[in-house]
Amino acid sequence: SYVLTQPPSVSVSPGHTASITCSGDELDHKYVCWYQQKPGQSPVKIIYQDSKRPSGIPERFSGSNSRNIATLTISGTQALDEADYYCQTWDSSTVVFGGGTKLTVL
Amino acid sequence: QVQLQESGPRLVKPSETLSLTCTFSGGSLSTYYWSWIRQPPGKGLEWIGDIFKSDITTYNPSLKSRVTISLDTSKNQFSLNLHSVTAADTAVYYCARDEEQLGHKRGFDPWGQGTLVTVSS
Repeated sequence: SYVLTQPPSVSVSPGHTASITCSGDELDHKYVCWYQQKPGQSPVKIIYQDSKRPSGIPERFSGSNSRNIATLTISGTQALDEADYYCQTWDSSTVVFGGGTKLTVL
Repeated sequence: QVQLQESGPRLVKPSETLSLTCTFSGGSLSTYYWSWIRQPPGKGLEWIGDIFKSDITTYNPSLKSRVTISLDTSKNQFSLNLHSVTAADTAVYYCARDEEQLGHKRGFDPWGQGTLVTVSS
């Protein structure tokens, strides 16, 4: 089965740029979404089709996908960005999630 | 605004069937993919399966033998049945919507608020 690999945790200082990676076999041939999940809340889609932002998602969130690695970049990270982040793609019509990355802002 | 709401028993006994319903408000069921996704306490997200246009279903291969998803457009609801449950099926269960545009899916939005289902005797 298809696997997406994320680092378990990433730390960033407020105001700095955070990068969260997601790797998978031939991932650059697939579209990737990213979700943000805060404690006790449902996930929220923040990036779709590799780099598109849904309406209402701040511009500091951006995404890319190349060379089998998708990257979520948060520019000017704020304390309220502290959350779990999940990448997601499709493989033969089935949905696959990465294991999730806990972003700590300190 | 589109909203999804899960409902169903919060406690299920081992070996029995977990049954949940997701009620949709604010649009049409027939043009989207409707998924069930779960999250064991303290762990990551796991896709269970989806349904499209009442009878086209796709399931996670790891759960396929135990899962049935159905759609009732007259009630704006879709349902999950997970058979022969064990403690490992204890999780928050979410329903969510995906859509396809120009042959490509756009990811899950919105999500329901989630419901914790515990498998225990």
